[in-house]
Amino acid sequence: AQTVTQSQPEMSVQEAETVTLSCTYDTSESNYYLFWYKQPPSRQMILVIRQEAYKQQNATENRFSVNFQKAAKSFSLKISDSQLGDTAMYFCAFMKSGGTYKYIFGTGTRLKVLA
Amino acid sequence: EAGVVQSPRYKIIEKKQPVAFWCNPISGHNTLYWYLQNLGQGPELLIRYENEEAVDDSQLPKDRFSAERLKGVDSTLKIQPAELGDSAVYLCASSLGVTSGMADTQYFGPGTRLTVL
Repeated sequence: AQTVTQSQPEMSVQEAETVTLSCTYDTSESNYYLFWYKQPPSRQMILVIRQEAYKQQNATENRFSVNFQKAAKSFSLKISDSQLGDTAMYFCAFMKSGGTYKYIFGTGTRLKVLA
Repeated sequence: EAGVVQSPRYKIIEKKQPVAFWCNPISGHNTLYWYLQNLGQGPELLIRYENEEAVDDSQLPKDRFSAERLKGVDSTLKIQPAELGDSAVYLCASSLGVTSGMADTQYFGPGTRLTVL
């Protein structure tokens, strides 16, 4: 069975600084997807970034980028130029390809951006 | 484009009472998911629909939980009777569907926060 671990329950960062959230996962699958979702205090989860395991290039979306290390089973999220609106819970999720379409979520990291 | 819509946003009930949650997915999304999210935890899948068919309900506590997705669009999740431990946020999500090549990305609604007293 797959597991996703987010070892940082809470983090804080000064506005405009850079922060990295860690995520590790355990799987025997070779093809899968990884995601970072953001859940602000209003509760709606928003997709931040996705990575396909067969792609070696790290995904980037504006200020958000990932460091995907397939051999190490690591998928960290880097937020550059942090903004107050980045304050939220961040969840890492795993989904194996090939039919289940089932996300396995980590327990989340609560990020607070300080003014 | 409208996102996933859920109602109600909040519900407070006495234990042993029934409760129902409603979800309207993004237009054109064939796959619909119901998740349970306990405080401080990540969401856990309860049931997944492909159109009107429940294709994965292995995590749904069928003694008290039921769901339906008539006509393959809107969906309702019901609990009867509710227990104290059912207090949580119930999230609905949708995705394009298994034939789209983009079935991996799920879009979430705002959730329904249930409190059972």
